[in-house]
Formats: sequence, structure tokens, C-alpha cells
Amino acid sequence: RKEVEQDPGPFNVPEGATVAFNCTYSNSASQSFFWYRQDCRKEPKLLMSVYSSGNEDGRFTAQLNRASQYISLLIRDSKLSDSATYLCVVNIPTGNTPLVFGKGTRLSVIA
Amino acid sequence: NAGVTQTPKFRVLKTGQSMTLLCAQDMNHEYMYWYRQDPGMGLRLIHYSVGEGTTAKGEVPDGYNVSRLKKQNFLLGLESAAPSQTSVYFCASSGEETQYFGPGTRLLVL
Repeated sequence: RKEVEQDPGPFNVPEGATVAFNCTYSNSASQSFFWYRQDCRKEPKLLMSVYSSGNEDGRFTAQLNRASQYISLLIRDSKLSDSATYLCVVNIPTGNTPLVFGKGTRLSVIA
Repeated sequence: NAGVTQTPKFRVLKTGQSMTLLCAQDMNHEYMYWYRQDPGMGLRLIHYSVGEGTTAKGEVPDGYNVSRLKKQNFLLGLESAAPSQTSVYFCASSGEETQYFGPGTRLLVL
């Protein structure tokens, strides 16, 4: 099982739709979780951290399920500007990679 | 406050040539990283540093060397470039865990 797995998409949704991404991780000792956003030909940027109790930032909600080892990102009322690739990021307490990035899920919001 | 900057933005090399990519951060971060990103492969860690004067290997270190002589700078060297090193290279820095990325360097090795 890969350390961090995401559905690559693409997810093509109309404006105003609600869309959810899931990400699974393999290391049960992981403690830190993040969602990053990457626009085409740009650098990744932190979207939000994911806390055990779940957290919300405007139209974005992140949740963590430790028992099943997955995290999710929910985007409500999608905007055209939400079109990007969303990267799931997990810390790995052992090994030689402090953070492991998933390959990303591509979202296209269509007018 | 420029954050993380990278030079150059774009470079074309011939096989066997050498070059150095420079990363600079002005956030006083202890940790710095070099990644490469290839289509379908995601971000892969090449080398990282946990402080001035230290370096460590990441997931794909072969063919690269790094140096962290000053806290704010992290250099990535390619001694003898190969076509397989054609990629987009991102530098990042962090304090605790959140990583902040530079704009990337696009490298083409012919």
C-alpha cells in the first residue's frame, strides 16, 4: 500500500456544486495532516491543516478518520477559481521523508 | 518579505553539464527541502536540511548534492546532468511543519 493515496480525478463539476475528495494513508503513527492546493504550473500552497476534531474554513471542510486512516476535503458552492489540483499531505514519523505528498486530485469547476 | 525564492526560473542543459540551483528564504526557517515534480509522479523529496550545516537524503537523492552553508540558503547541485533529471524543481522551507514553497525551476536536459 502506498504511503498516501488519492483519486487522481479529474473531477469535473458545475459551479455551485459540492465536491469531496478522500485520501488514505498507510502509517498509523502519522500525526499531522494537510491539504495543499496547486494551480497549473505554480507551486503548492497550504490550503488548510486537518485537525482530529475536523475543521472548517469558509466553504472548505477537512475531516480526519484515524480508525480508517483517511482524511477528506469537502468544498461547498464550488467556484471557477477552485479549479486546481489538491494535494493530500501526511507526516511520516519514521523513514527519510518528513512529509509525504499524495499525487493530487485534479478539480475542474465548469461554468 | 519575499518568502522562498528560487533561481534560475528556467534552464536548458546538455547531458553531462553541471549546474547549481539556488533557494533562499527570509522567514528564518530551520528546515529546507528540495523536491522534484514529474507528471504522474507527484512531489518527491530529493534532499532536505534540518538546520545550517546539515543535510539529509530524501526519497530520490541519487545524482544530486546539496549544501546549507547559511541558514537562509539551500543549494542543489547536479554534477553531471542526465535527461532523467528533466523536471520541475521546487524548494520549500518550514518552521514547525507547514512547508512554504518557492515558485519552481524548470530544468530541461537534452
